[in-house]
Amino acid sequence: KAGVTQTPRYLIKTRGQQVTLSCSPISGHRSVSWYQQTPGQGLQFLFEYFSETQRNKGNFPGRFSGRQFSNSRSEMNVSTLELGDSALYLCASSLAAGDNQPQHFGDGTRLSIL
Amino acid sequence: GNSVTQMEGPVTLSEEAFLTINCTYTATGYPSLFWYVQYPGEGLQLLLKATKADDKGSNKGFEATYRKETTSFHLEKGSVQVSDSAVYFCALSDLGRDDKIIFGKGTRLHILP
Repeated sequence: KAGVTQTPRYLIKTRGQQVTLSCSPISGHRSVSWYQQTPGQGLQFLFEYFSETQRNKGNFPGRFSGRQFSNSRSEMNVSTLELGDSALYLCASSLAAGDNQPQHFGDGTRLSIL
Repeated sequence: GNSVTQMEGPVTLSEEAFLTINCTYTATGYPSLFWYVQYPGEGLQLLLKATKADDKGSNKGFEATYRKETTSFHLEKGSVQVSDSAVYFCALSDLGRDDKIIFGKGTRLHILP
């Protein structure tokens, strides 16, 4: 069974631009969560989607947004990019939201802001 | 709120040494506890988990016991290998609250041949 797939793997942008990252969950998984990983802050939760609805949101500015499609695929968008947005963005899927089950992670998208 | 604190790295050991990576947590409910591992260039993988007090999770020679009295979930391995070099994250998920997974900051482990 294919794992969580994130595209692209690497991305370089400049300040002020916007970016869209994609995540395809494991087949049958309906919950998708996004995390930002930086050396200084570690892993931080961005948001979680289940059945096309945002269930939880972390403490990030409104420039960070996401959505989930009917096939459970999810996209994350960051507008007006800042240097501090350089990070590894990880997507994770699980069968259902709130089931307290471990999440399965993709390999991430490494975003670099110049 | 809930939080996870794990020992800062990097931790450098020789092959076949004994490993302990400390992890303590704060939670108001009854969380499940996890260890995730991130190998170079890859995403996170679940290493082991424990869902209630006194449970022991184990995988690939690694073990961790859910200690409610000390709010700890220390990761141990009796004899590490070079291939164990990675970043290890302790995490908790509390179904009684918002069930987000909360991670520690990670501990980088270097194993020397």
